[in-house]
Amino acid sequence: DQQVKQNSPSLSVQEGRISILNCDYTNSMFDYFLWYKKYPAEGPTFLISISSIKDKNEDGRFTVFLNKSAKHLSLHIVPSQPGDSAVYFCAASGDYKLSFGAGTTVTVRA
Amino acid sequence: EAQVTQNPRYLITVTGKKLTVTCSQNMNHEYMSWYRQDPGLGLRQIYYSMNVEVTDKGDVPEGYKVSRKEKRNFPLILESPSPNQTSLYFCASSPGVDTDTQYFGPGTRLTVL
Repeated sequence: DQQVKQNSPSLSVQEGRISILNCDYTNSMFDYFLWYKKYPAEGPTFLISISSIKDKNEDGRFTVFLNKSAKHLSLHIVPSQPGDSAVYFCAASGDYKLSFGAGTTVTVRA
Repeated sequence: EAQVTQNPRYLITVTGKKLTVTCSQNMNHEYMSWYRQDPGLGLRQIYYSMNVEVTDKGDVPEGYKVSRKEKRNFPLILESPSPNQTSLYFCASSPGVDTDTQYFGPGTRLTVL
């Protein structure tokens, strides 16, 4: 049973607008959350992370929000750029293991 | 250049024929891990290693073996591959036992007929 869920398989957004990706988790023992970005024929690359003791972390155009009570996190990309078109994986860390969601494919339209 | 390398990148094999996928990192990382990526399921952790001679099961270890005899290498062994092990496999490493900022290899596409 997947402990990390990304319920939106795809997202299409216009260039310059905000992309919001959502992720839910079930295991309250997770203590670190990460987003990875993946282009075709490449391995995932780390994008941004957040500790369970925080509710927001920002890095340039990328902001991750964590709502522990709802077991929900989201990734905001502002403004979206064509190079952001990729698959985004949400991941949660706990007990030396990493659990991933199924991914959301983001397409940024010109 | 800091990197994680995997070989082979593509492999087609038949059921029951033992195979090994190699993984090597040049960053002196302690933590290494193997994942498989399947449509609709994302990446699932197969095995991980916190240091030399220390390995443990991830979420989907059945049918796989690993070894960590040297810090830089973490091979994935399929003793008797089956068609349900057809998948895209990724090796990853990170500086410490924490699983943040893992560096992933380019992936190995395995097809078992």
